[in-house]
Amino acid sequence: GESVGLHLPTLSVQEGDNSIINCAYSNSASDYFIWYKQESGKGPQFIIDIRSNMDKRQGQRVTVLLNKTVKHLSLQIAATQPGDSAVYFCAETHTFQTSGSRLTFGEGTQLTVNP
Amino acid sequence: KAGVTQTPRYLIKTRGQQVTLSCSPISGHRSVSWYQQTPGQGLQFLFEYFSETQRNKGNFPGRFSGRQFSNSRSEMNVSTLELGDSALYLCASSLGDRVASYEQYFGPGTRLTVT
Repeated sequence: GESVGLHLPTLSVQEGDNSIINCAYSNSASDYFIWYKQESGKGPQFIIDIRSNMDKRQGQRVTVLLNKTVKHLSLQIAATQPGDSAVYFCAETHTFQTSGSRLTFGEGTQLTVNP
Repeated sequence: KAGVTQTPRYLIKTRGQQVTLSCSPISGHRSVSWYQQTPGQGLQFLFEYFSETQRNKGNFPGRFSGRQFSNSRSEMNVSTLELGDSALYLCASSLGDRVASYEQYFGPGTRLTVT
C-alpha cells in the first residue's frame, strides 16, 4: 500500500548547524507534500509545503526539496536553534476525483538541538 | 485569527463507553479532518468533512463516526470504547476548496485514555 516514511527516527545537531531531515514516499501520484513540526503537547504545526510539479521551495530558514525520480523529500533547516527541537513529520496528500484531501503521514523524526 | 480549538483537552473513559469530541475550525475554514495519533501507528486519517458532508474516510471501524454542523464545527464519536482507542485525537481545518485544501491547520488535540 501507499506510505510515507522517514529514514531516521532521531537526529541530534549542534545549535547553529544546518539540519537535514529526510523522507521517502511510495505513491508517485501524490499531489502535495507537507512538512509539519510537532512540539510536545501540541498539534502538528504547518512548516512548508511543495507541489508535485516543483523541485524546491524555500521559506524562512527552511527549504524543502522534492526528488520525484527517487521519491524522496527533504527538509533543510538553516542555523538550527533550540526552539527547533521537535518531532518533524512529512505528509503526502491525495486529491480524489470528488475533491477533498487526506494526509498520509510518515513516522516522524525527533530533532534534538544541543546548545 | 483564532486557531483550531478542540474540547475537551483530556478525557478518561472506561471500556465500553462512548465519547464525543468537539472541534471548532479556524473562522472561514469549511473543511475539518480528524486524525488519530498513537505511538505505535503514528498519525492516521480518520475522516474529512466539508459542508456538512463526509468527503473522505480512512480505514477505521464503524465505531468511529463524525459529523459537521452548518457553522463548520465538527464532532467525532467513538462508541464501545476499546483500550486500543487510547490516543491523541487531532482535528485539522482548511479552507476546503480544491486548490487550498492541502494547507491544514491542526488543533492541540484531545488526549483520550481508555481504562
